Parts: sequence; C-alpha cells; structure tokens
Amino acid sequence: EPEVTQTPSHQVTQMGQEVILRCVPISNHLYFYWYRQILGQKVEFLVSFYNNEISEKSEIFDDQFSVERPDGSNFTLKIRSTKLEDSAMYFCASSELAGFYNEQFFGPGTRLTVL
Amino acid sequence: AQSVAQPEDQVNVAEGNPLTVKCTYSVSGNPYLFWYVQYPNRGLQFLLKYITGDNLVKGSYGFEAEFNKSQTSFHLKKPSALVSDSALYFCAVSSGRSNNTDKLIFGTGTRLQVFP
Repeated sequence: EPEVTQTPSHQVTQMGQEVILRCVPISNHLYFYWYRQILGQKVEFLVSFYNNEISEKSEIFDDQFSVERPDGSNFTLKIRSTKLEDSAMYFCASSELAGFYNEQFFGPGTRLTVL
Repeated sequence: AQSVAQPEDQVNVAEGNPLTVKCTYSVSGNPYLFWYVQYPNRGLQFLLKYITGDNLVKGSYGFEAEFNKSQTSFHLKKPSALVSDSALYFCAVSSGRSNNTDKLIFGTGTRLQVFP
C-alpha cells in the first residue's frame, strides 16, 4: 500500500539554524499539507499546497517558514531560523483529490528538537 | 470557527468489551468529521469519515462512528475491543472547502488502553 514517507525521523538543531524537513507524498496525490504537534498538545495545521503554490496557511506559518515542491516527488518544509518553540513533531500529509470528501494520508512524522 | 473536543484523555477497556471514544464538535455549516488513529512511531491513519447520509459510519479495523446532530457528537465505537486497538485516537473536523485543499482541525486525542 502506498505511504507518505518523511525524512529524517528525528532532527536535532541549534536555535537559529535552518532546517529542512522532507516528505515524499503518495505519487498520484496533488494536495499537500504540513501539520505539527507540540508534545502533549493537539495536532495543528500549518500550511497546504496545491498546483505549486500555497493554498492556505495558519498564523503559525510566519515568514520563518516556507514550503517547496522542488521536483515531482518531494515536498519540503523549511524553517529559516529555528526557535526553541519550534520543537515539535511535524507531519506531512497528502490527498489525491480536493476538499473535505477526501481523506488525508499522513507520514510518520519528523521529530524536531531545537536546543 | 470549527472545533472538536475529546473530553477523555484516556479510556481503559477490557479485551472483548465494547469501546467508545467520545468526540463532540462545533461548526458553522455542515459538519465533515473524521477519526484517525496513531500507533507508536507511526503517522496518523485514517479510520472513517462522515460527510453525509447514514448516521452510522463503518470504517477500518471494525470501527464505526455514530453521528448525532442533536447532540453534536461523533463517537467512535467498536463492539469488541482488541489489545492491538491500544493507540492514540484523534477526532477531526474539516474546514469545509470542497474545491481546493481542506485543512483538518484536530481534537486533543484520546489514548485507548485495552487490557487482556
């Protein structure tokens, strides 16, 4: 069964450093998402992406964050200058079709630790 | 604004007994509701969804959920729990966009523990 994959599984970085989290969505999916979960808190939406542009973003997704689909398979989340409060589990998700009719498929997550 | 609430942090049930994991929702407009499960070191896995139609929705692994409009609830159920059902369960509501990406708004999660 096709899966969303994410690398690395765990990333440790120093405050102020740039990190890139990588995701490979399911191959025929067109709609892409990033969510995050701070330890002990709920899963929160960050950003969605379709047709090579951001479709929607949350207030969390400020100028320090960016997303890119650099080729036909990868979908990346970049944090330009990490803060301590960016420490969280980051989940990538994808869906084949638009809208609420279609469930999103999630990757296993990348745990980001900012020291 | 759309939101869901999961009032129980943890639910404990004996194997073979029925289980219920509770979820209530608050939406403007029609509710589009989902249940996801998270096993250790795995991503969230889709279980089932309610979009419209029958109030009882059947999903993966023998789970079902009952949509109740008057009580604004979407409780997850299973007639006979298995130890392997032990995991973290998330209720979610869609923001309701139909023609583009559609974000999910999650509850805080309920840890289900099934003991032998």
